[in-house]
Amino acid sequence: KQEVTQIPAALSVPEGENLVLNCSFTDSAIYNLQWFRQDPGKGLTSLLLIQSSQREQTSGRLNASLDKSSGRSTLYIAASQPGDSATYLCAVTPGNTGKLIFGQGTTLQVKP
Amino acid sequence: EPEVTQTPSHQVTQMGQEVILRCVPISNHLYFYWYRQILGQKVEFLVSFYNNEISEKSEIFDDQFSVERPDGSNFTLKIRSTKLEDSAMYFCASSERTGDSSPLHFGNGTRLTVT
Repeated sequence: KQEVTQIPAALSVPEGENLVLNCSFTDSAIYNLQWFRQDPGKGLTSLLLIQSSQREQTSGRLNASLDKSSGRSTLYIAASQPGDSATYLCAVTPGNTGKLIFGQGTTLQVKP
Repeated sequence: EPEVTQTPSHQVTQMGQEVILRCVPISNHLYFYWYRQILGQKVEFLVSFYNNEISEKSEIFDDQFSVERPDGSNFTLKIRSTKLEDSAMYFCASSERTGDSSPLHFGNGTRLTVT
């Protein structure tokens, strides 16, 4: 059974720091991996999607990597800003149905 | 940018009552989903829907749950006889297609409180 784990559960950094969020999954047979952002009381916003054949994706200050064989992904945020404060969720697609299996998230606080 | 919209944003109901949660997916999307998040827990998959049929459902999605696309734009989740443990945030999502390159787009959710 696929399990997704995110470390750390919470992270607090000063503004301007570069940071890395970690995601691991137990079964390497995935179609893709997505990183989402969730603001309190809000829905999930898709940040990056990495296809199973890809190693990384970049969008602005965000870079996500995928190592399927080791079951790991990282989300790198460069030059963090207070507006980046949110919960970041990692999710994998185990089959061709669109079903996502989520990690528990990392709650990020960026202090001005 | 097109978005998934959900109504209501908050629903309070008494145990045993029926509730219908409503969603309007992005217009050119063909695949629809419901997820839920119990407070403090992971987001969990409930059901996926394509071509007017359920394509996959989780163990959570038992006989008290049903989904419907009553017209060309709405997608609904019905809970027939609510229980206290159904209290959660329910998210609707849609995607253009399935496969490895199609991201899911989520609505802002409906917070269901069962008293």
